[in-house]
Amino acid sequence: EVQLVESGGVVVQPGGSLRLSCAASGFTFDDYAMHWVRQAPGKGLEWVSLISWDGGSTYYADSVKGRFTISRDNSKNSLYLQMNSLRAEDTALYYCAKDIAGNVAVAGTFDYWGQGTLVTVSS
Amino acid sequence: DIQMTQSPSTLSASVGDRVTITCRASQSISSWLAWYQQKPGKAPKLLIYKASSLESGVPSRFSGSGSGTEFTLTISSLQPDDFATYYCQQYNSYSGFTFGPGTKVDIK
Repeated sequence: EVQLVESGGVVVQPGGSLRLSCAASGFTFDDYAMHWVRQAPGKGLEWVSLISWDGGSTYYADSVKGRFTISRDNSKNSLYLQMNSLRAEDTALYYCAKDIAGNVAVAGTFDYWGQGTLVTVSS
Repeated sequence: DIQMTQSPSTLSASVGDRVTITCRASQSISSWLAWYQQKPGKAPKLLIYKASSLESGVPSRFSGSGSGTEFTLTISSLQPDDFATYYCQQYNSYSGFTFGPGTKVDIK
């Protein structure tokens, strides 16, 4: 059974930093690209970032480019999101999501999601 | 960036109704469109990918159609478990995988 478990969400002050983690199990982690998607309270979904199966390629939404860094450790079946220079508008539930494509391809759609970890940016 | 719109934003329907939700892209995305269902307090669930391919385990009452800039999600006979918010999402370009604003389906 595929499981994605996020952690690391807390209350942080504007300008602060935070690192989110996602522990994956139930599938061959290094066969798949992975994503972070966020949802502000009461709002819709926003794709944040993508990392290829080997970490060699990364992509970001314009809203986080230059502030957030996605990474992965395939030896630990783990995905990360380093978040710097946090703003109030970054307050959201952050989901880790698995790309639907296998065999090291990228589709850009998400077949499994974690339950999310809440990041609150507030003074 | 590609913008996505959905209509209606809210839809009131009864069990057994046929329901259709429309999603439009600001430019052609071929068939690179997915549909998700989200219930309160839960993560989204993939229903349809590549515009019309049903994800494994999803009931056959859900179907998707369209290509280019206009797409539809149809629920052939609404069930009690289907009351939720539905999002479309384009994945045409790595420059941004954008979601529509959502359509909430509630009980009439």
